[in-house]
Parts: sequence; C-alpha cells; structure tokens
Amino acid sequence: SQKIEQNSEALNIQEGKTATLTCNYTNYSPAYLQWYRQDPGRGPVFLLLIRENEKEKRKERLKVTFDTTLKQSLFHITASQPADSATYLCAPYTNAGKSTFGDGTTLTVKP
Amino acid sequence: NAGVTQTPKFRVLKTGQSMTLLCAQDMNHEYMYWYRQDPGMGLRLIHYSVGEGTTAKGEVPDGYNVSRLKKQNFLLGLESAAPSQTSVYFCASSYGLAETSPPYEQYFGPGTRLTVT
Repeated sequence: SQKIEQNSEALNIQEGKTATLTCNYTNYSPAYLQWYRQDPGRGPVFLLLIRENEKEKRKERLKVTFDTTLKQSLFHITASQPADSATYLCAPYTNAGKSTFGDGTTLTVKP
Repeated sequence: NAGVTQTPKFRVLKTGQSMTLLCAQDMNHEYMYWYRQDPGMGLRLIHYSVGEGTTAKGEVPDGYNVSRLKKQNFLLGLESAAPSQTSVYFCASSYGLAETSPPYEQYFGPGTRLTVT
C-alpha cells in the first residue's frame, strides 16, 4: 500500500541554522508534491508545490527538492527563525484531485 | 473574502447522536474536501467532491456522509456518532477543472473540534 514517512522525531534547531525535513514515500510515483505548514489549532497553509520534472524549487528562505529515484523530497528552511516553528506536512499528489498527507514533522527553532 | 469557513467550531456529542458540519467557501472553487486529524497524526481524507452534485469516498469514509448541493457548500454528516469519531475536522477547497487536473493548492478552514462521549 502507499506509504508516506516524514521525520519520525521532532526537529529542534538553533535560530539562524538550516532546518532540513524529510519526506519519503513508497509504493507509488506521484507526479507532484506539496508542502504545507500547520500551526497549533489552525488549518494547514500551502507553501510550495514541486513537479516530478523539477529537481528543486525555491521561495524566499524555503527550498524543496524532489528525487523520484530515491522517492524522497527534502524541505529546507535557511536562516531559520523562531517564527518558523510549526508542523510541516508533505503531500504527494496521487490522482483525481486528491493528495495524501504525511503525519508531519514538528519543527522548533530556539532563539 | 472569508475564504473557507466551518460551522461549528466546537461540538460535544453523545454516542449515537447525529450532526452535520457545514463548510462554505467563497472562492468559486470546484474541489472541496473533508479531512479528519487525530492527535499527532496527519490529515486523512474522508470524502471529497470535484464539483457541484458530485461526491467521492476518500481514505476513511465509513460512518460519514456528504452532500454538495451548492458549489460553495460541502456538508459532512455523522448519522450515529461513535467515540472513534472524536477528532478535529478540516474542510478544504481548491481550484480545478477536471479530474485530471494537477493539484492546485488547498485552502483550509479553521477546523471543527468534535468530541463524542
């Protein structure tokens, strides 16, 4: 069956460092992959979409990579700030307008 | 624009009671979704709709029914609530023209926290 795995442990980093979050998927080949941010008590907010033929996508301090051979996407936040603390969800696109969400990785950036 | 709104924000039900969650969007989106999120877990798709009058089952549809009579509204019903349905329910919508469209970003509502005792 299709499976999505994100960093199993919460990620704690120091302000100013680069945070790297991992999303691995198995048993399917998504053509697109989205990343969302979710703050406690709120709905997720879209951040980035990357297509299978794109190796890398950037938006301000965010960078996403998509390796279809490794079946993995990496999400980087450079020069991290305490305001970046949140849970980040990856969502590989399956079919017919549906995306499947991973369980998320909780990032805490300490000042 | 209000975006995606959900009613109610909180609800406590007793086992066996029924209720309807209302989702409304003012962005003229074709696609709408209902998810549930349990503590420490990601979102699981319950039902979704690719247009007015159409609905489809998601990953965890049992115990829920939906209707999309108007393009802007998507209703989620629980006919006989069970403690296992205690969760936070999120509605989302996205732009899309056909089932083969690429995924557009989903806009989420603020969620409904449901407790079934």
